[in-house]
Amino acid sequence: GAGVSQSPSNKVTEKGKDVELRCDPISGHTALYWYRQSLGQGLEFLIYFQGNSAPDKSGLPSDRFSAERTGGSVSTLTIQRTQQEDSAVYLCASSFGGRMYFGPGTRLTVL
Amino acid sequence: AQSVTQLGSHVSVSEGALVLLRCNYSSSVPPYLFWYVQYPNQGLQLLLKYTSAATLVKGINGFEAEFKKSETSFHLTKPSAHMSDAAEYFCAVSVTGQGAQKLVFGQGTRLTINP
Repeated sequence: GAGVSQSPSNKVTEKGKDVELRCDPISGHTALYWYRQSLGQGLEFLIYFQGNSAPDKSGLPSDRFSAERTGGSVSTLTIQRTQQEDSAVYLCASSFGGRMYFGPGTRLTVL
Repeated sequence: AQSVTQLGSHVSVSEGALVLLRCNYSSSVPPYLFWYVQYPNQGLQLLLKYTSAATLVKGINGFEAEFKKSETSFHLTKPSAHMSDAAEYFCAVSVTGQGAQKLVFGQGTRLTINP
């Protein structure tokens, strides 16, 4: 595709369930980022992958959050035992040559 | 630590009026600064970026921003607002280079255009 894609676009889950959010970056982009956009909180950095280097996980809010990037392409953000405060829009971005391209996001609602 | 403050979570202007969205940053090293726009139900798009070249940066859709080191500001302006400019605007700072690693975003400013 021409841009960063994310799936699902919307996810409603019950408190305590695990969820997986998927990001397909632009082909050839070596860097991939996850951000969280909460109401009234702006955009919060979560994790960053660059090529084959160890990811920068410094933004993950708790050990319930994890992410992986397989084959340097697709990434999955996993949230275990979801809490209501996890409700937000989760944005993925990829970059190449100094410019970031954001996906449309996954809106997660935890009931 | 780097930080960004956007003054005004909501700004409303009339069509044809000047748009001014304020952004102040905090950085201990020369910053790279960005403005992004998010239209309803769409992802963030880069409007413009400052990378220590010209202090006046021109972006897409008629927007521009001026880097003022003495004021630690990077305000976004557009001379004449259009209805299509209604969106949320985010200022961001990165100090790790143009690669925009770990961008730190402001809280965002929602721009409303009145007919």
